[in-house]
Amino acid sequence: QKEVEQDPGPLSVPEGAIVSLNCTYSNSAFQYFMWYRQYSRKGPELLMYTYSSGNKEDGRFTAQVDKSSKYISLFIRDSQPSDSATYLCAIPQGLTGGGNKLTFGTGTQLKVEL
Amino acid sequence: GAVVSQHPSRVICKSGTSVKIECRSLDFQATTMFWYRQFPKQSLMLMATSNEGSKATYEQGVEKDKFLINHASLTLSTLTVTSAHPEDSSFYICSAAPPRVSQETQYFGPGTRLLVL
Repeated sequence: QKEVEQDPGPLSVPEGAIVSLNCTYSNSAFQYFMWYRQYSRKGPELLMYTYSSGNKEDGRFTAQVDKSSKYISLFIRDSQPSDSATYLCAIPQGLTGGGNKLTFGTGTQLKVEL
Repeated sequence: GAVVSQHPSRVICKSGTSVKIECRSLDFQATTMFWYRQFPKQSLMLMATSNEGSKATYEQGVEKDKFLINHASLTLSTLTVTSAHPEDSSFYICSAAPPRVSQETQYFGPGTRLLVL
């Protein structure tokens, strides 16, 4: 079983839709969860991170962690064409993502259409 | 946010040649740098972790003699793909972590696309 699993998509939604992106993980010891956005042919950029269970909101983005089911989600409200990218969940082997190895999900390719 | 650059952004080489890719942290000192490889429509796979002044730690299955990593300074790490073959064609991405262990993230470079003919 992979440590982090993610549906690769592609996912196509109309502009303005609410998008739900999800990952599951296998190790219950994981505490820190991250979402990266990667545009085509570019390096990933950090969108959000959460620690332990619960929700975290930043503008149109909400990250949610359910440790009981080992399930993490990223919600995008009022999706825009500029949100079209690949979204990767990542889990560090350590308490933070700074100096620790990251295990990435496969990434979900999102396309927001006009 | 912090900026990490990579050079070159794209390289095409003949099979059997060696290719060097540079990763620089432009506005911070990076005690740790990571090298990832990403095949089309796949996720980033960690190849190795490099700490300034010490030998790199390679992930299982990554040949250290083929992928030479040098982290000679706090702002520069290099990855050399020796005797490159077509199967080494991939997108290579580095990331750099500032020295504070509480940093939430590491910062990624824009990637280098390698095509071996």
